[in-house]
Amino acid sequence: GQQLNQSPQSMFIQEGEDVSMNCTSSSIFNTWLWYKQDPGEGPVLLIALYKAGELTSNGRLTAQFGITRKDSFLNISASIPSDVGIYFCAGMNYGGSQGNLIFGKGTKLSVKP
Amino acid sequence: DSGVTQTPKHLITATGQRVTLRCSPRSGDLSVYWYQQSLDQGLQFLIQYYNGEERAKGNILERFSAQQFPDLHSELNLSSLELGDSALYFCASSARDRGGFGYTFGSGTRLTVV
Repeated sequence: GQQLNQSPQSMFIQEGEDVSMNCTSSSIFNTWLWYKQDPGEGPVLLIALYKAGELTSNGRLTAQFGITRKDSFLNISASIPSDVGIYFCAGMNYGGSQGNLIFGKGTKLSVKP
Repeated sequence: DSGVTQTPKHLITATGQRVTLRCSPRSGDLSVYWYQQSLDQGLQFLIQYYNGEERAKGNILERFSAQQFPDLHSELNLSSLELGDSALYFCASSARDRGGFGYTFGSGTRLTVV
């Protein structure tokens, strides 16, 4: 089945640093989504991307839908302690499995004050 | 508060037992999705219901079943529980059957099988 490769698996950074993570797939997606999961909580949608090449920002977060439609990246600028959590990418292909999202395994972000 | 309500928040039970997890979707959402998240694992899609009907099935074991009721709440039934079934179980909802605008997740039910 479809799989997403998300990297890196984990990151330890200093407060104030920029962060970059990405997701790649062997197949094309029509929609890319980025979620953040805080400890003990459900994932929360950060950014949704619907068009190849699209670049979308949400505060300090910026995500892009790759031109090939097989990848996406998420950047976080000037990280702060509350950015700690697990970030998941998710892809959807309407022509495939009836609309359910395929999730990456997540990037665990730790921020040192 | 995401608007998706899951109960109970925590559940501890013995091997071989059966449990029911409940989910109330966000107001107006017709689709409900169930996911399993094991320790250090990603989110594994189990099953989707749309307006009472099963719409998509993922890696759901035969020991597990789900349904969506006329009031749109959903229940996930896990039977003959094994130690490996210990995990976080999330419910998510979306307005339509494809969820292209993203899913809204509940806070999850943490199941511990001892």
